[in-house]
Amino acid sequence: EAQVTQNPRYLITVTGKKLTVTCSQNMNHEYMSWYRQDPGLGLRQIYYSMNVEVTDKGDVPEGYKVSRKEKRNFPLILESPSPNQTSLYFCASSLGRQGVGGYTFGSGTRLTVV
Amino acid sequence: QKEVEQDPGPLSVPEGAIVSLNCTYSNSAFQYFMWYRQYSRKGPELLMYTYSSGNKEDGRFTAQVDKSSKYISLFIRDSQPSDSATYLCAMSRTQGKSTFGDGTTLTVKP
Repeated sequence: EAQVTQNPRYLITVTGKKLTVTCSQNMNHEYMSWYRQDPGLGLRQIYYSMNVEVTDKGDVPEGYKVSRKEKRNFPLILESPSPNQTSLYFCASSLGRQGVGGYTFGSGTRLTVV
Repeated sequence: QKEVEQDPGPLSVPEGAIVSLNCTYSNSAFQYFMWYRQYSRKGPELLMYTYSSGNKEDGRFTAQVDKSSKYISLFIRDSQPSDSATYLCAMSRTQGKSTFGDGTTLTVKP
């Protein structure tokens, strides 16, 4: 089954404690992206990657890092999480650039930073 | 002003009703138009994808794009309780990122 797998689904952490949210896709897509979803603000792009070792900032990159060492994996790293990073996070991949033709989204990671 | 504006809802209809979900946009360079459905506690899933103006039908769903008016719509015929979800419109330029609407939450009552 074609899918994007994110882990963990739920995470509660404390301010300043580094964390990583993993993302893996099995569709051989070159393009992957991270979004956060907040009430009233919709889906906002954090970072995206067009291929292995090629990443770039989205609309809200501050406080986040990403890496793309393998085509299938695109982890999101929060080096020093803060409460304003409490959100619902989605990883997505697409065949077309920047979601043209549609993204396949993961099931989401609900992060709470206290 | 946002590039993409979506009717905020929420929308509540009886089972069997025809539903119309709408978005307007300001960027005339948008060429690709998508509708996603998002169930509670799930990620968005692609429902419909259209390129440029025109209509596209898939079962009970019809996507309509009017580029001259910068307006897109998703129609759901014979709506079912299983259609209850949040619907997101999205659009992109040929070389640009996808821009999403904020979503319209639909409830179909049995």
